[in-house]
Amino acid sequence: NAGVMQNPRHLVRRRGQEARLRCSPMKGHSHVYWYRQLPEEGLKFMVYLQKENIIDESGMPKERFSAEFPKEGPSILRIQQVVRGDSAAYFCASSPSISKYEQYFGPGTRLTVT
Amino acid sequence: KNEVEQSPQNLTAQEGEFITINCSYSVGISALHWLQQHPGGGIVSLFMLSSGKKKHGRLIATINIQEKHSSLHITASHPRDSAVYICAVDLNRDDKIIFGKGTRLHILP
Repeated sequence: NAGVMQNPRHLVRRRGQEARLRCSPMKGHSHVYWYRQLPEEGLKFMVYLQKENIIDESGMPKERFSAEFPKEGPSILRIQQVVRGDSAAYFCASSPSISKYEQYFGPGTRLTVT
Repeated sequence: KNEVEQSPQNLTAQEGEFITINCSYSVGISALHWLQQHPGGGIVSLFMLSSGKKKHGRLIATINIQEKHSSLHITASHPRDSAVYICAVDLNRDDKIIFGKGTRLHILP
């Protein structure tokens, strides 16, 4: 049973480009969470999604960031017009529908904006 | 004040020592997690607990709900235990997890 998968593991973008980060939850999991870890800071919640629904996006920056979790395929975290301050590690976690408290983390995507 | 506080921030110990990392929180929680983040960045969930004590190999996690405090212990520590250990809490009030800033552990051979 494969764990949570994220790709790419490393992503380099120039300022102004778009970044797309993908998260494939564990098989049978229908809840996905995205977290951001800025350099020298702790993890911070960004958004919580179920299939085709955004449940809580209170941690998402108001502009340039969006997330989706379609009926088929991975969850996508999209950052438009990236800036240097977006450089961070982005982690997703998934949980089964019966227990959203049991979260399994992916390996993360390290985004570098040059 | 942060809702989740960890101590110490950094800890260096000799191989074989007994290690304790503490986590205090100030909000109502439904569960507490201990996570391990290795130098490469990947995060592994070690424990999720809402009461009492759990043990896995050389790792032990305890939680005292009344005192809003949890500890992670490592017995017979080894250099491969060197990592950042993160405490995180599931809030009662919503779906979020709040993370501590982590404890950087370095075990010397």
